[in-house]
Amino acid sequence: DAGVIQSPRHEVTEMGQEVTLRCKPISGHDYLFWYRQTMMRGLELLIYFNNNVPIDDSGMPEDRFSAKMPNASFSTLKIQPSEPRDSAVYFCASSFLQGSTDTQYFGPGTRLTVL
Amino acid sequence: AQSVAQPEDQVNVAEGNPLTVKCTYSVSGNPYLFWYVQYPNRGLQFLLKYITGDNLVKGSYGFEAEFNKSQTSFHLKKPSALVSDSALYFCAVRAQPGAGSYQLTFGKGTKLSVIP
Repeated sequence: DAGVIQSPRHEVTEMGQEVTLRCKPISGHDYLFWYRQTMMRGLELLIYFNNNVPIDDSGMPEDRFSAKMPNASFSTLKIQPSEPRDSAVYFCASSFLQGSTDTQYFGPGTRLTVL
Repeated sequence: AQSVAQPEDQVNVAEGNPLTVKCTYSVSGNPYLFWYVQYPNRGLQFLLKYITGDNLVKGSYGFEAEFNKSQTSFHLKKPSALVSDSALYFCAVRAQPGAGSYQLTFGKGTKLSVIP
């Protein structure tokens, strides 16, 4: 398996622009997570899905952030409008709950810079 | 609420010496505990986990961790450190299924530097 795939790997944009981050989870996994990592706040869970349904979005910082999972193999995290304080590395992770394989596997991340 | 504490921001160890990265946790009920490693500009890689059973868990790259319920700790250990072990290490906890949120809570991370 190719693992969790994220795109783009790097994104540089200007304040006010819309940013869309993409994630393809590991095939067969039923949970998908979006995290944000910064030096100041560490690793924060933004939202997670189970079987394509958002379960907990309490970590989404504000209405400028939205996430969707239209099918089992694709999710997006959108920021509109973007602000400099959104600059961070955004990770997607997926897992399969059943049995002993509920470990979360992380993608390589998208490094977002908002100027 | 569940939480993880990694009391050391940085750990320095000489190559060939044993290493320990500390982690304590708080969670309702029995915990699922994880260690991840992050190399520069990379995602988090799974090292090992404790679900149930033997308190000593063995994982990838020669790492192991010991679950201590009375001390609510899950320290990461390796008998002989390698320079290539230098990275950022994260401890994480979640409640067992049905006992709480499925959310995985991470510590702040500990930077391990192995000195040649």
